[in-house]
Amino acid sequence: DAKTTQPNSMESNEEEPVHLPCNHSTISGTDYIHWYRQLPSQGPEYVIHGLTSNVNNRMASLAIAEDRKSSTLILHRATLRDAAVYYCILRASSDRGSTLGRLYFGRGTQLTVWP
Amino acid sequence: NAGVTQTPKFRILKIGQSMTLQCTQDMNHNYMYWYRQDPGMGLKLIYYSVGAGITDKGEVPNGYNVSRSTTEDFPLRLELAAPSQTSVYFCASSYSWGGADTQYFGPGTRLTVL
Repeated sequence: DAKTTQPNSMESNEEEPVHLPCNHSTISGTDYIHWYRQLPSQGPEYVIHGLTSNVNNRMASLAIAEDRKSSTLILHRATLRDAAVYYCILRASSDRGSTLGRLYFGRGTQLTVWP
Repeated sequence: NAGVTQTPKFRILKIGQSMTLQCTQDMNHNYMYWYRQDPGMGLKLIYYSVGAGITDKGEVPNGYNVSRSTTEDFPLRLELAAPSQTSVYFCASSYSWGGADTQYFGPGTRLTVL
């Protein structure tokens, strides 16, 4: 399993930017970096993904280090609704037999947003 | 579109009882997955399917069975429920297995075995 390391928890104030870090020093050249989040009592939802370049979408931005051994999910203005567990996940881009398609979830980072 | 739907939302079972967790998706995805999530932990893959009639084991398949007779449905069967199966179960689907593809999750079924 391609492993990722995230802080257990982070806190932010509402309307401030949040930078959620993820280390993945054993990433392979063809692994995509995905971020999912899980709101309380809900299923995980996709946030963003990238391979080498920084990515932006309506929810967040993903900054990927040049050596790809770390990445940062950026929420530009945190809202109360962004309070969730955020998972950083590596996903193989090719069939590796028994790892086909699966997402490996760690414990993620619990983000608390204060009003 | 409803996306991925799961029934029931909650269920309490007695030890040794059986039940089927239902999962349906309306996105015409070939790939479907069952995960379980224990308190304070991430999700673990139970079974997955790459298309109708094709299923395979994930990380934690013991005590569960699946079938995939249609593209839309992927039920999970618990035989002889045990307290260790108390968990929240999530069904997911995706268009493909590629690294850039995303998975869509249902709302979950919270199961308690007493």
